[in-house]
Amino acid sequence: GAVVSQHPSRVICKSGTSVKIECRSLDFQATTMFWYRQFPKQSLMLMATSNEGSKATYEQGVEKDKFLINHASLTLSTLTVTSAHPEDSSFYICSARDWLAGVTDTQYFGPGTRLTVL
Amino acid sequence: DQQVKQNSPSLSVQEGRISILNCDYTNSMFDYFLWYKKYPAEGPTFLISISSIKDKNEDGRFTVFLNKSAKHLSLHIVPSQPGDSAVYFCAASLIQGAQKLVFGQGTRLTINP
Repeated sequence: GAVVSQHPSRVICKSGTSVKIECRSLDFQATTMFWYRQFPKQSLMLMATSNEGSKATYEQGVEKDKFLINHASLTLSTLTVTSAHPEDSSFYICSARDWLAGVTDTQYFGPGTRLTVL
Repeated sequence: DQQVKQNSPSLSVQEGRISILNCDYTNSMFDYFLWYKKYPAEGPTFLISISSIKDKNEDGRFTVFLNKSAKHLSLHIVPSQPGDSAVYFCAASLIQGAQKLVFGQGTRLTINP
C-alpha cells in the first residue's frame, strides 16, 4: 500500500524558534498533500491543503504566516511552524492523495509529528 | 459546528463478538464516507469507504452501512479481534474527489479477550 513518512516523529523546541516538519510520499506521487492537527482526545482538524507548485489553501482560522507550507515536489511537502509558542504544541499529521487513484478520496496518512514547545 | 459526529467516545466489546461503531453527519451534501483506524502516536490507517450511491460496502471483517435519510453510517467489525483495539474515525467529503475530509471525534474501541 501507499506509504507516507514524516520527519521528525518528535520534536521539542524552545518558545520563539521555528520548526520544520517534512512529509514524503514514498511510493507514489502526490499532487496534493494535507496538513492536520490533532489535540489530545479530539478530532483531526484540517489546517491546510498543499498543492504541488502552487500556494497552499488554508482553513479558516489558521494563520498563514505562522504555518508556512511548501510543496516543492510531487513527493515532498513541508510545514514550518514559525516562532513557535507553547499553544502550538500538538500532534501534526500529514496525508497525501495518490494522483493516479482516480475518483477515490482515500488519503494516506503519515505517522505524525509530536511537537512540544517549552 | 461539528458536521461529523461520533457520539460514543468509547466502546468495549468481547473478542469474537460484533463491534458496531456509529457516525452521524449533518451536511446532506456529503457524498463520500470513510473509516480510519488510529493507534496512539501514529497516523490514521484507511479501513473502508462508501459512496453515497450505495448503502453497504463490505471488505472482509469490515462492513460499512450508510443510511442517507438518517444521515447515519456505521462500521461493523465481525468477528472482533484484540488487534482491532484502536481509535476509529469516520470522515466525510463533500464531493468525491474534492479531497477535503471532515473527521468525527473518534471512538476508542477496546476488544476484551
